[in-house]
Amino acid sequence: AQTVTQSQPEMSVQEAETVTLSCTYDTSENNYYLFWYKQPPSRQMILVIRQEAYKQQNATENRFSVNFQKAAKSFSLKISDSQLGDTAMYFCAFRRGSQGNLIFGKGTKLSVKP
Amino acid sequence: GAGVSQTPSNKVTEKGKYVELRCDPISGHTALYWYRQSLGQGPEFLIYFQGTGAADDSGLPNDRFFAVRPEGSVSTLKIQRTERGDSAVYLCASSQGLAGVQTGELFFGEGSRLTVL
Repeated sequence: AQTVTQSQPEMSVQEAETVTLSCTYDTSENNYYLFWYKQPPSRQMILVIRQEAYKQQNATENRFSVNFQKAAKSFSLKISDSQLGDTAMYFCAFRRGSQGNLIFGKGTKLSVKP
Repeated sequence: GAGVSQTPSNKVTEKGKYVELRCDPISGHTALYWYRQSLGQGPEFLIYFQGTGAADDSGLPNDRFFAVRPEGSVSTLKIQRTERGDSAVYLCASSQGLAGVQTGELFFGEGSRLTVL
């Protein structure tokens, strides 16, 4: 069975600084997707960034980038130039292939301080 | 619609009552998912539909929980004889499924918060 582990229940960062959120996963699959979702108080999960396991290049979306280490089964999220609007819960998620359900970690609560 | 819509936004009920939660996915999305999120936890998978049929219902906790998607669009999650432990936010998501471009991404609604007194 696949599992996703986020070892940091809470993190804080000063506005404009950089922060890295950790995620590790366990799977025997070779074809899978990894995601970081953001959940603000509105409850709606919003996709931040996506990584296909077969791609060696780390995904980047503006201020958000990942460090994908397939052999180590690690998938960390780096947020550069943190903004107050980045304050939210962040969930790492795993999906086997391109179908089927997402498996989520327990989340990291990120607070960006002015 | 433009996004995944869930109703009601909030539902308060008494222990033992029957509850229905509705999800209207993004138009054209063939795959639909239900998750349950307890306070301070990540979402836990309940059931996944591909079209009208349940492709995977392994996450349903017991036979009090049931979900349908009769026309392959709107889905209803049904909870019988509710218990206090059922209190949680129930999230619905949809994705392109087999017919569209596979991005792997799920699009979520804002959830239905269920409180069982």
